[in-house]
Amino acid sequence: DAGVIQSPRHEVTEMGQEVTLRCKPISGHNSLFWYRQTMMRGLELLIYFNNNVPIDDSGMPEDRFSAKMPNASFSTLKIQPSEPRDSAVYFCASSFRAAKFTDTQYFGPGTRLTVL
Amino acid sequence: RKEVEQDPGPFNVPEGATVAFNCTYSNSASQSFFWYRQDCRKEPKLLMSVYSSGNEDGRFTAQLNRASQYISLLIRDSKLSDSATYLCVVNNNDMRFGAGTRLTVKP
Repeated sequence: DAGVIQSPRHEVTEMGQEVTLRCKPISGHNSLFWYRQTMMRGLELLIYFNNNVPIDDSGMPEDRFSAKMPNASFSTLKIQPSEPRDSAVYFCASSFRAAKFTDTQYFGPGTRLTVL
Repeated sequence: RKEVEQDPGPFNVPEGATVAFNCTYSNSASQSFFWYRQDCRKEPKLLMSVYSSGNEDGRFTAQLNRASQYISLLIRDSKLSDSATYLCVVNNNDMRFGAGTRLTVKP
């Protein structure tokens, strides 16, 4: 069974360009999470969706970041315009959320973003 | 104060050693707790959940102390393959990850 799929795996872009990261969660999972990981700040939750609806986007750093989940099998995280400080590994994770937020999250392999 | 704090290490131990990591959390209302493992340049993967009564999985033992707001992970008879970063995770309606503790097991 396929795990969480992310694309691209690596992205190098220039400052000011738009970047779109993609995620396909595990089939049957109803919660999806976007994280960012850097050496300085560790793993940070940016936003999460439950049943395709954004529940908490308080971790999104600023208006340059946006995320969508048009259906249960696809989500995007967009950065426009990108800046060098956005360079990080971006992980997508999914889980089957029951009554409480206790379910195991399965992470994708991540997208390593470098903004020059 | 960070919500979840861990000693970043690194912990360098010989094969066969016993090593313990602690993690403290600030939100007393936190509901559930986990240890994740992350290998270099890989994604985090669940190692084990942490239950109030403590739980064991082979060489790994996790414990929770709600009164003092910390969780621990004990690894016995460490193997070279245990070398990784161990992330403490605390949930209170969202998952908060610690910065991780790096472990290197040497021959």
